[in-house]
Amino acid sequence: GENVEQHPSTLSVQEGDSAVIKCTYSDSASNYFPWYKQELGKRPQLIIDIRSNVGEKKDQRIAVTLNKTAKHFSLHITETQPEDSAVYFCAAKRGAFTDKLIFGTGTRLQVFP
Amino acid sequence: DVKVTQSSRYLVKRTGEKVFLECVQDMDHENMFWYRQDPGLGLRLIYFSYDVKMKEKGDIPEGYSVSREKKERFSLILESASTNQTSMYLCASNLDGVNTEAFFGQGTRLTVV
Repeated sequence: GENVEQHPSTLSVQEGDSAVIKCTYSDSASNYFPWYKQELGKRPQLIIDIRSNVGEKKDQRIAVTLNKTAKHFSLHITETQPEDSAVYFCAAKRGAFTDKLIFGTGTRLQVFP
Repeated sequence: DVKVTQSSRYLVKRTGEKVFLECVQDMDHENMFWYRQDPGLGLRLIYFSYDVKMKEKGDIPEGYSVSREKKERFSLILESASTNQTSMYLCASNLDGVNTEAFFGQGTRLTVV
């Protein structure tokens, strides 16, 4: 079945630096790739998503890139702030004709002031 | 404001008990999901339902069953709770057929003693 690998598991950056989290997926039929942010003690919330017909998407300080050939996608956060500290999960929709979302193992991002 | 509500935030049960985790959404979503969240393992899909009385197994269905008698309610059942089912359980829902955002409940932290 679909497998999503996520790296790194932890990431520490200085405020103002950039952070990059990478994910790879195994099912070439996957066509939807969301990213969720989970703050401590809170529920995961969608921060950005990308569909397979798009190579890059930006929303202010966050961007996601998708390489369908290599089957990997990445989250980029620029000008990091302490409030960006959280666990980030990538996900991929399993196949093209199902709504099952398969998640990566998560990245704990810490932004130090 | 979209809402996915899980019946309990914290639950302590004894080994061998039958446990019911309830999830209700008020967005008229067709799809509902149960995930289990463990450190280092991310969010693992237990069961998925795409309509009333319809369900599909996820990646880790062993020891669990589900019930969806009404569109807004999706129940996770631990037939005979065991200590290795101690975990955070997250319910989610989204619209059918389109690559849409999944909305999560606040989670139920279950401890089996």
